[in-house]
Amino acid sequence: SQKIEQNSEALNIQEGKTATLTCNYTNYSPAYLQWYRQDPGRGPVFLLLIRENEKEKRKERLKVTFDTTLKQSLFHITASQPADSATYLCALGAGGTSYGKLTFGQGTILTVHP
Amino acid sequence: GAGVSQSPSNKVTEKGKDVELRCDPISGHTALYWYRQSLGQGLEFLIYFQGNSAPDKSGLPSDRFSAERTGGSVSTLTIQRTQQEDSAVYLCASNSGGPDEKLFFGSGTQLSVL
Repeated sequence: SQKIEQNSEALNIQEGKTATLTCNYTNYSPAYLQWYRQDPGRGPVFLLLIRENEKEKRKERLKVTFDTTLKQSLFHITASQPADSATYLCALGAGGTSYGKLTFGQGTILTVHP
Repeated sequence: GAGVSQSPSNKVTEKGKDVELRCDPISGHTALYWYRQSLGQGLEFLIYFQGNSAPDKSGLPSDRFSAERTGGSVSTLTIQRTQQEDSAVYLCASNSGGPDEKLFFGSGTQLSVL
């Protein structure tokens, strides 16, 4: 069955460092992958999209990579700030007629310490 | 409205009762999705509406769960004869239904079945 695993439930880093979050998947051939941020008591908020034919995407301090051979995506936050503390979710999409029918990982709780 | 609106934000019910959860999507969005988030779990797809097409109900966990979308806008998720394992956050999302398009989530309804 399809399986998505995000590295360690919790990640603690110091302010200014780069946070690296991992999303691994098995038994899946996604057409694209999305990353979301979720704050307590709120719904997820979209951050970045990367398609199967793309290796890397950047947006401000965020960078995502996608390796379909390793079946892995890495999500980086550079120059991290305490305000970046949240749960980060990766989500895979099959494309085709399955628009929006995403398969989510369980999330990684990131805490950035001042 | 400006975002996806869900009500109620919290619902406490007794085992065996029926509950209705409401979602008001972003104006103009033709696609609407329901997801469920249980404690420590990833988001689980429940159902997807797109325009006038038949909904994709493939994620509904049992026949106690149903959803409708009236007039292509507001959606109601109904859980009949609630069970304790139904306790979770129910999240609604919408978008324009395009391929790999990001989801806009509401803040969810926290359902507690006693």
